[in-house]
Amino acid sequence: EAQVTQNPRYLITVTGKKLTVTCSQNMNHEYMSWYRQDPGLGLRQIYYSMNVEVTDKGDVPEGYKVSRKEKRNFPLILESPSPNQTSLYFCASSRDLSTVGKFFGPGTRLTVL
Amino acid sequence: DAKTTQPPSMDCAEGRAANLPCNHSTISGNEYVYWYRQIHSQGPQYIIHGLKNNETNEMASLIITEDRKSSTLILPHATLRDTAVYYCIVNGAGNMLTFGGGTRLMVKP
Repeated sequence: EAQVTQNPRYLITVTGKKLTVTCSQNMNHEYMSWYRQDPGLGLRQIYYSMNVEVTDKGDVPEGYKVSRKEKRNFPLILESPSPNQTSLYFCASSRDLSTVGKFFGPGTRLTVL
Repeated sequence: DAKTTQPPSMDCAEGRAANLPCNHSTISGNEYVYWYRQIHSQGPQYIIHGLKNNETNEMASLIITEDRKSSTLILPHATLRDTAVYYCIVNGAGNMLTFGGGTRLMVKP
């Protein structure tokens, strides 16, 4: 089954404790991206990747890092999480330029205390 | 600047067609119209997209006006499970999606 998976689905952590949210897709997609969703602000793009070893900033990249060492994986790294990064995070992937963001993961709800 | 304008909420009776409008008066020639929906806090679900011709798939139909300044997503026979926030997005090929506020569709029995 074609899917995008994220882990963990829920996480409560404390300020400053490094964490990684994993994202994996099984569709051999080139394009992957991360979004965060906050009440009243909709979905905002954090980072995206157009292929292996090619990443670029989205609208709200501050405080986040990503890597794309393999086509299927696109982890989101929070080196020193802060409470303002409490949010619902979505990973997305797509095959090509005409169907950007076509598949979304189930979401990761992160709380930073 | 918002590229699309959608009503914040709409109601629809179960079994009836749901027609969700979207204005995108500043759309440029190479930009597509995409529709997604999000049920509660699940990941957004792709519905349909088009450039200038009307499109239909197993989920919905997309009607784009001739001047491409507006479009309508049609769910032909809405069910309670279609209750969701529907996002209309205008996007050029190769660019990442920008989600606005969307329309909260409530399907009522």
